[in-house]
Amino acid sequence: DAKTTQPPSMDCAEGRAANLPCNHSTISGNEYVYWYRQIHSQGPQYIIHGLKNNETNEMASLIITEDRKSSTLILPHATLRDTAVYYCIVRPNMIYNQGGKLIFGQGTELSVKP
Amino acid sequence: DAGVIQSPRHEVTEMGQEVTLRCKPISGHDYLFWYRQTMMRGLELLIYFNNNVPIDDSGMPEDRFSAKMPNASFSTLKIQPSEPRDSAVYFCASSSRLAGGSTDTQYFGPGTRLTVL
Repeated sequence: DAKTTQPPSMDCAEGRAANLPCNHSTISGNEYVYWYRQIHSQGPQYIIHGLKNNETNEMASLIITEDRKSSTLILPHATLRDTAVYYCIVRPNMIYNQGGKLIFGQGTELSVKP
Repeated sequence: DAGVIQSPRHEVTEMGQEVTLRCKPISGHDYLFWYRQTMMRGLELLIYFNNNVPIDDSGMPEDRFSAKMPNASFSTLKIQPSEPRDSAVYFCASSSRLAGGSTDTQYFGPGTRLTVL
């Protein structure tokens, strides 16, 4: 599985956009980029994933560069409740009876401040 | 849906005792995962099942750890005998291979905080 590199911590002002970068320069063609977050004392929570195209859902937007070597998770209007550790993970398609593994790195600890 | 259910939420035991952690996955999900989280090692996958069959147990630390999934709605992670270094938060997660698709998302339970004295 490809490795990812994320900054260990970031701050963001409440109400502003939070842009969390992730480098995955060794990603291969069939690997997806997944983002999860973990709020203190809770289990990780799925946010979004993508392969090539930019993706948006009710939680966030995912921007993947054309060469797919990096991506950015965008929380458009960060709130205090978005304070969490954010994990960027790359993994291959889940082939039947294989795959499914998520390898978590250290993530980025995002602090949203009033 | 109630989500992934884990019990107990907290467990304190003494070294050498047997510990059993329980998990009920989301109904209809065919994959179940056990993770362990510590400050030193972060979040690491221990084992996962597909249709109740263990697929990859390469993350299980040693023979003291065992996991079973007797049916689609229940799984256990057992530690016997427990040691202080087993103290961690243990998470269970489940997922479902999308019909006709090739990606999935995992839904995590609230975790069991285990303390071995």
